[in-house]
Amino acid sequence: QSALTQPASVSGSPGQSITISCTGTSSDIGRYTYVSWYQHHPGRAPKLIIYDVSYRPSGISDRFSGSKSGKTASLTISGLQAEDEADYYCSSFTTSSTLVFGGGTKLTVL
Amino acid sequence: EVQLVESGGDLVQPGGSLRLSCAASGFIFNTYAMTWVRQAPGKGLEWVSVISGSGDKTYYADSVGGRFTISRDTSKNTLYLQMNSLRAEDTAVYYCAKDLFVSSGWTAYFDSWGQGTLVTVSS
Repeated sequence: QSALTQPASVSGSPGQSITISCTGTSSDIGRYTYVSWYQHHPGRAPKLIIYDVSYRPSGISDRFSGSKSGKTASLTISGLQAEDEADYYCSSFTTSSTLVFGGGTKLTVL
Repeated sequence: EVQLVESGGDLVQPGGSLRLSCAASGFIFNTYAMTWVRQAPGKGLEWVSVISGSGDKTYYADSVGGRFTISRDTSKNTLYLQMNSLRAEDTAVYYCAKDLFVSSGWTAYFDSWGQGTLVTVSS
């Protein structure tokens, strides 16, 4: 199972919005809504920020939103803040009953 | 409060074995699937394996299938990962994580993670 495809890096200024894409195949993102996003600050535990394509767990800011079209999922962060600077990973359930992560995207807040 | 504490990481030679543990507290352990995820140095997250809450269903990534075995001991609230025939490419920080929802299988969403334990495979 190959990793989902994410851009290696994105950047934005405080207050702006950014979108991170995550492209899979018909065996994962294209097949299921079991898509999630994680925020990972180096040295800390990853944090679930989006599940089931567009749902936010309790306590997650509504500045984070998710969507999906075909084989591509997207994470949008609005009103960028300095603390949003982190690595972001998408993941999807697969037809093999396994999970695949994206390669990760480093977000830099300028 | 949910707490997950991994242990067992170490330096091991290629071909060797290691068993990781993840001590869980703060939730009803046998009602949630548990997962192992790893991160090699400078690399992204890689899903390794999952076990259902009852322990009757297990799944593995192709990269570890046949070498790693996931298990759980409800009486000890502990998750395990037995790693055999270790390779240099297994070097990583290994995290255990809890499923977001109670289910008979697993939900593929992880709402609580441990801090990780480092496994280094090198001669």
